[in-house]
Amino acid sequence: DVKVTQSSRYLVKRTGEKVFLECVQDMDHENMFWYRQDPGLGLRLIYFSYDVKMKEKGDIPEGYSVSREKKERFSLILESASTNQTSMYLCASRPQPSSKNIQYFGAGTRLSVL
Amino acid sequence: AQSVAQPEDQVNVAEGNPLTVKCTYSVSGNPYLFWYVQYPNRGLQFLLKYITGDNLVKGSYGFEAEFNKSQTSFHLKKPSALVSDSALYFCAVRNYGQNFVFGPGTRLSVLP
Repeated sequence: DVKVTQSSRYLVKRTGEKVFLECVQDMDHENMFWYRQDPGLGLRLIYFSYDVKMKEKGDIPEGYSVSREKKERFSLILESASTNQTSMYLCASRPQPSSKNIQYFGAGTRLSVL
Repeated sequence: AQSVAQPEDQVNVAEGNPLTVKCTYSVSGNPYLFWYVQYPNRGLQFLLKYITGDNLVKGSYGFEAEFNKSQTSFHLKKPSALVSDSALYFCAVRNYGQNFVFGPGTRLSVLP
């Protein structure tokens, strides 16, 4: 089975802190994604990566950055956390060729910024 | 631009009754359509997908969905609901070369 692991289930941070959310997948997938999930808004794509050291902005990249130094790991970085970044964050991965393939999700990290 | 609508925030159904969770989409070209389910404090799990072929797609846990091109819909159905089906359901669409677009989600409550 594909496993996508997010390092933390719950995080509490203070405004202005730098926050790292880590995601690791064990199936050698090329594509990785970060979403945030908010009630009534569904999942919104923050950033994605098609390969090591590659990154592309999604629909809501402002206030976030990402790092993909190794194929299996995709990190989401909040440079200076703000209260409006309180949310559930979901990581996903997907193999190539990607057109018909599904995404596999981690369990999520619920981040609270105080 | 791609978009997905799930017109119902909440669906309530009695255990043993059939259930339907609605999804309509807008996409240029041929759509790839997906349903995911999210149980409390969990990530999303894949249920089923439509790529091409038969309009009726069968998936996990007894769920199925019907692709209707003329109505641009992809409603999720199950003949007999279980209490354990209570969860948040997301419809998603993509076409070739594009990323997923997810709907806002529908919370299904199956009452015993």
